[in-house]
Amino acid sequence: DGGITQSPKYLFRKEGQNVTLSCEQNLNHDAMYWYRQDPGQGLRLIYYSQIVNDFQKGDIAEGYSVSREKKESFPLTVTSAQKNPTAFYLCASTFLGTQPQHFGDGTRLSIL
Amino acid sequence: AQSVAQPEDQVNVAEGNPLTVKCTYSVSGNPYLFWYVQYPNRGLQFLLKYITGDNLVKGSYGFEAEFNKSQTSFHLKKPSALVSDSALYFCAVRDRDGNNRLAFGKGNQVVVIP
Repeated sequence: DGGITQSPKYLFRKEGQNVTLSCEQNLNHDAMYWYRQDPGQGLRLIYYSQIVNDFQKGDIAEGYSVSREKKESFPLTVTSAQKNPTAFYLCASTFLGTQPQHFGDGTRLSIL
Repeated sequence: AQSVAQPEDQVNVAEGNPLTVKCTYSVSGNPYLFWYVQYPNRGLQFLLKYITGDNLVKGSYGFEAEFNKSQTSFHLKKPSALVSDSALYFCAVRDRDGNNRLAFGKGNQVVVIP
């Protein structure tokens, strides 16, 4: 079945540690997105990519980094510079144009 | 910049009654509008979209939404709510400039009371 796979489902970070969240899609979508979800704040865009080897900062990119080396993969690294990383992270993808974004089932990141 | 307002934090409705979730938007030019639903610890599921044409859009699971340009609104409706409709609902908007970025509202928790 086609879809978006996020892993792991739960992740714990120690102080000073970088952690990487995986996002893989087999929908042949062009664009991929990373969102952060906090209770009562909706979804906020971290980074997005419309084409391989290119990506743009969203509204809250500080303390995060991404890469887009393959069309199907868009990993997100939460660096130690992100002082409040506890949140639910959602990855999405879509074809360019008017199609809706499809979402993975998220990774919940917590601080140890 | 595009933005969405979902003015109510929670919507309570009795099972079998009509359900309405409100959304107003701000965007330069004509919008693309979307509704999504989220169940606990899951990703967002697409319900419906307005791109152009008929102002009344029908989507999944019996939901529909009406685009009102003069009021810049895109309210989600269902004629008869089910307990299984209890979830978090998000409205989203993007403009037509080609950057493919969505702006989401903060979400509305819908509670359908048996």
